[in-house]
Amino acid sequence: LAKTTQPISMDSYEGQEVNITCSHNNIATNDYITWYQQFPSQGPRFIIQGYKTKVTNEVASLFIPADRKSSTLSLPRVSLSDTAVYYCLVGDNNNNDMRFGAGTRLTVKP
Amino acid sequence: ETGVTQSPTHLIKTRGQQVTLRCSSQSGHNTVSWYQQALGQGPQFIFQYYREEENGRGNFPPRFSGLQFPNYSSELNVNALELDDSALYLCASSRSGGFQETQYFGPGTRLLVL
Repeated sequence: LAKTTQPISMDSYEGQEVNITCSHNNIATNDYITWYQQFPSQGPRFIIQGYKTKVTNEVASLFIPADRKSSTLSLPRVSLSDTAVYYCLVGDNNNNDMRFGAGTRLTVKP
Repeated sequence: ETGVTQSPTHLIKTRGQQVTLRCSSQSGHNTVSWYQQALGQGPQFIFQYYREEENGRGNFPPRFSGLQFPNYSSELNVNALELDDSALYLCASSRSGGFQETQYFGPGTRLLVL
């Protein structure tokens, strides 16, 4: 399984766009990239998944460069309720072991 | 709400005791995974059950065991509890095993071992 590296914490203000980058230098050809969000005392919640280029859904965008050695989760116009820990995971369908690292603690300020 | 429920929500045990945690998966899901989350850390994979069979295990000792029932609900059993077992225990259900399937997490059971 590819190891992932994310910033430990980030601060932002309401209304700003937040970009959280994850490094996964050893990503394998069949690996996908998935991001989860976790609020205190709750289980993680799926945000977005991608393989290459760009994926967008109703809550976020995921940018993956051609070499796929990193990925960036983009949260448009964050609000206070986006304060949470964000996890980047990498794996393929032969893996059922979801390896969560320490994640990135995002704090959105008023 | 994910449709995944866990019981109990909180539990206090003493060292050496045994505990059983329960998880009811989302309708239509046949796979359940269990995680341990210590304070300030990310969830750590314990094991996964797919159609009542263990389908992968993380780096946890044999005193952590599980079951999945025909209705795809699941139990996590921990024997000989240690202080370090104090954590939030999360279960997640999915349509099948494999990384690409979205996992839907329950709210967790917070276990305190004294």
